[in-house]
Amino acid sequence: QKEVEQNSGPLSVPEGAIASLNCTYSDRGSQSFFWYRQYSGKSPELIMSIYSNGDKEDGRFTAQLNKASQYVSLLIRDSQPSDSATYLCAVSGTYKYIFGTGTRLKVLA
Amino acid sequence: NAGVMQNPRHLVRRRGQEARLRCSPMKGHSHVYWYRQLPEEGLKFMVYLQKENIIDESGMPKERFSAEFPKEGPSILRIQQVVRGDSAAYFCASSPGRTDQPQHFGDGTRLSIL
Repeated sequence: QKEVEQNSGPLSVPEGAIASLNCTYSDRGSQSFFWYRQYSGKSPELIMSIYSNGDKEDGRFTAQLNKASQYVSLLIRDSQPSDSATYLCAVSGTYKYIFGTGTRLKVLA
Repeated sequence: NAGVMQNPRHLVRRRGQEARLRCSPMKGHSHVYWYRQLPEEGLKFMVYLQKENIIDESGMPKERFSAEFPKEGPSILRIQQVVRGDSAAYFCASSPGRTDQPQHFGDGTRLSIL
C-alpha cells in the first residue's frame, strides 16, 4: 500500500462546476497536510495547508480533513480552465513529506 | 527574491559528464529536500539535508549521485558520469525544519543528457 494515494485522473469537470480531489494516507500519526498545484513544466506551488479535522476555506478552495478515515480532500468551486493542472497531496511525518503521485484536473471551457 | 533559488534552470550534458545542480533555500529555512520528476510522473524523494548533515538519503541511487549542504553556500546535487536515464526535472524544496510548516519549491533544473 502506498503511503499517500491519489487517483491519477484525468478528472474532467465543466467550467463553473465543483472539482473534488481526494487523497488517502496510511500513517495515522500524520499531523500536517498540504495541497500543491503543479502546472505542466512548472514546479509545485502550495495552495492549502490543513492541520485539524474539518474544513478550511481559502477563496474558491476548500480543504477537508478526516483523520479517523485518513483522508484529505480539496474542493475547487467555480472551476476555471486556468485550474487545469496536477494537484499533489502531501502528508508530513516526523521529518519527511510524503507526496502522492497527483491527480490531473482538466476544466473544460 | 526570497524564494527557493535553483540554478541552472536548464542543463545539457553529454553521457559520461558530471552535472551539478544548485539550490539556495528560502530565507530562514535550514532544511533542503531534493526530488526528481520524470515527465508525466510524480515527485520522487531523493535526499533530505540540513546544514552540513545528510539526514535521509534513502531515495538516492547508491552510485554516481551525491548531495551536500555546506555551512556556507547552496546545497549541491551532484551526478557523476551521467546517463540518458538521468534526464529529468530536479526540484529542490526548503522548509524551516518543522514539518507542520509546508515545503516551498524552487523552479527546478531540467537536466537533458545527449
